[in-house]
Parts: sequence; C-alpha cells; structure tokens
Amino acid sequence: SSELTQDPAVSVALGQTVRITCQGDSLRSYYASWYQQKPGQAPVLVIYGKNNRPSGIPDRFSGSSSGNTASLTITGAQAEDEADYYCNSRDSSGNLFGGGTKLTVL
Amino acid sequence: QVQLQESGPGLVKPSQTLSLTCTVSGGSISSGSYYWSWIRQPAGKGLEWIGRIYTSGSTNYNPSLKSRVTISVDTSKNQFSLKLSSVTAADTAVYYCAREAVTTMVRGVIIYYFDYWGQGTLVTVSS
Repeated sequence: SSELTQDPAVSVALGQTVRITCQGDSLRSYYASWYQQKPGQAPVLVIYGKNNRPSGIPDRFSGSSSGNTASLTITGAQAEDEADYYCNSRDSSGNLFGGGTKLTVL
Repeated sequence: QVQLQESGPGLVKPSQTLSLTCTVSGGSISSGSYYWSWIRQPAGKGLEWIGRIYTSGSTNYNPSLKSRVTISVDTSKNQFSLKLSSVTAADTAVYYCAREAVTTMVRGVIIYYFDYWGQGTLVTVSS
C-alpha cells in the first residue's frame, strides 16, 4: 500500500534553515500539502501546491518537490516554529499522511 | 470565516458504533469545490485520514477502515457525519473534521489541501 515517509525528528538552531522531507510514490502524481501542529491544537496548513502559503503564514516557510520527494523549508527558524509537521497527499485510494516530523528549535 | 465543529459522545463502549457530527458555519457545505473529511489522531501518534464525502454524496474511505466506516452529509443542516462500527480501544483518538479544498492551477494542475479544521474531539473507547 502507498505511504508517505518522514524523518521522525529534526532539530535546527535558532535562526538557521531546516528542511523537512516527505517521500512517497503518490508524490509523483500529486502535490503535497504541509501542516504544522502544536501540542493540544489542531493542525494548521502552512504550504500547499507547488509552493503556496495561506494568508497569515510567514514567508520563511516554503515548499518544493522533485520526483517522489516533497520538502518543507523553514528559512530562519523561530522558537515558535517548534512543532510537529505532517505532509499529506492524495493517492489512488484517498489521502495519505506522513508519520510526522518533530521539529526542535535549539 | 469558515468554522468546523465536531460533536458527539466522548465515550463509546467496545463493539458499539462511534457517531460524530461536524457542523460547518460561515459558508454553505454545498458551495464550491470542497470535500469534507474525517481525520483522527491517537494520543502521541500521527494523523490518519478516515474518509471524505462530496456534497453529491460520493464517498471515499481509507482502505484499512472501509468495512467499518460510513460518512454522510446533511446539506439542510450544513453538517456531515461519521459512523465507525465495531470499535475497539485502538479507535480511541482525537477525531477531526476538515475541509479539503480543490484548486485548479495553471496548465490544469489540480491541487488538494485541508484548509479548515475543527478543533478536534476526543473519543475514548472503554467499557
């Protein structure tokens, strides 16, 4: 069955750049979307499509994709960016979520 | 501003049916190119897509849950609902409803994304 694979945990120094990746066959056919989730809160959309940010999402968040890999990049990470990040895409059966990446800002 | 709100029992006994409703406000559930989904998250774990419905009534379900899931829509009440049968402790989770937007970009590329989420409701399966 299809799946999306993310690294479980990533860390970044305050103000530095971090890339969070998501791999899966479905990404060859569909763009990923990315969600930020802080403890006790619902997920929030941060990136969708080729590289689109919803209103209110800082421009330090960006997205890219190549082949079966989608990436979320945070340029100049801030303390408030510490959260879990999930990728999502459609697939032939419905929708898939990655396992999530816990981002720690040091 | 679209808002989604989940409602339903917070405690369900094993083998029974979990029933939740999502009420949509700030916009009609029938308007636009949107799908309406249920997503769940066990404590300390990741997100799992359960299924979705279009306002036409067409549905798609996660293959791993398909035999137990029914999603329906009531456009007159601007609501959609989830029923999950034969629940076990493994179904204990926070359940979210979400709107999935469908946008056609340049060159006909279609993109999908969950732009609005409910706050989530915890459902515990226990006797």
